[in-house]
Amino acid sequence: GAGVSQSPSNKVTEKGKDVELRCDPISGHTALYWYRQSLGQGLEFLIYFQGNSAPDKSGLPSDRFSAERTGGSVSTLTIQRTQQEDSAVYLCASSEGPQGYEQYFGPGTRLTVT
Amino acid sequence: AQSVSQHNHHVILSEAASLELGCNYSYGGTVNLFWYVQYPGQHLQLLLKYFSGDPLVKGIKGFEAEFIKSKFSFNLRKPSVQWSDTAEYFCAVSPTSGTYKYIFGTGTRLKVLA
Repeated sequence: GAGVSQSPSNKVTEKGKDVELRCDPISGHTALYWYRQSLGQGLEFLIYFQGNSAPDKSGLPSDRFSAERTGGSVSTLTIQRTQQEDSAVYLCASSEGPQGYEQYFGPGTRLTVT
Repeated sequence: AQSVSQHNHHVILSEAASLELGCNYSYGGTVNLFWYVQYPGQHLQLLLKYFSGDPLVKGIKGFEAEFIKSKFSFNLRKPSVQWSDTAEYFCAVSPTSGTYKYIFGTGTRLKVLA
């Protein structure tokens, strides 16, 4: 079956521009996670969705970062006024539920801010 | 603060050598434990997981891990590695309550020489 997909696969943007990253989870998965992976770093948790609500936004690094999920399916991560330190691979994962279910990861979006 | 430490950042082994990758976590409560693997050009995928019961868990491709609660460790082992095990390995913990976060280590890059 179809896995988690993310678009775009690569995004190059100028400092100060806004970007929107998209995640299509596996159909029926209620839980959705966003992570950021910077060079040489592990996966940094950003936000968790259960259905359309986000009970845990604790990982969002600043108010420039926001995310939403609609219809219990597609999610978008928006970064406003991008900075060079935002350059990273942004990974999305979905699972059948929280706290212990296997997460299925997408291929990621490589964001480069110039 | 919650954290996961993977002490080996790069490991190089010859085929048939034994493997042990260290993982220690810092968290005061009960956790679920995971090892994920990312093969070159592929998505992150689950290798094995521990929730409760027998602290020695077996995963795919001959991997196993042992949870030692007193040491807050969850080391990954394989008796005899193959060239196809070349990948990056990530340890992760998921607290069973209080947060929906998954906390990942920084990863260990394993290269197996044929």
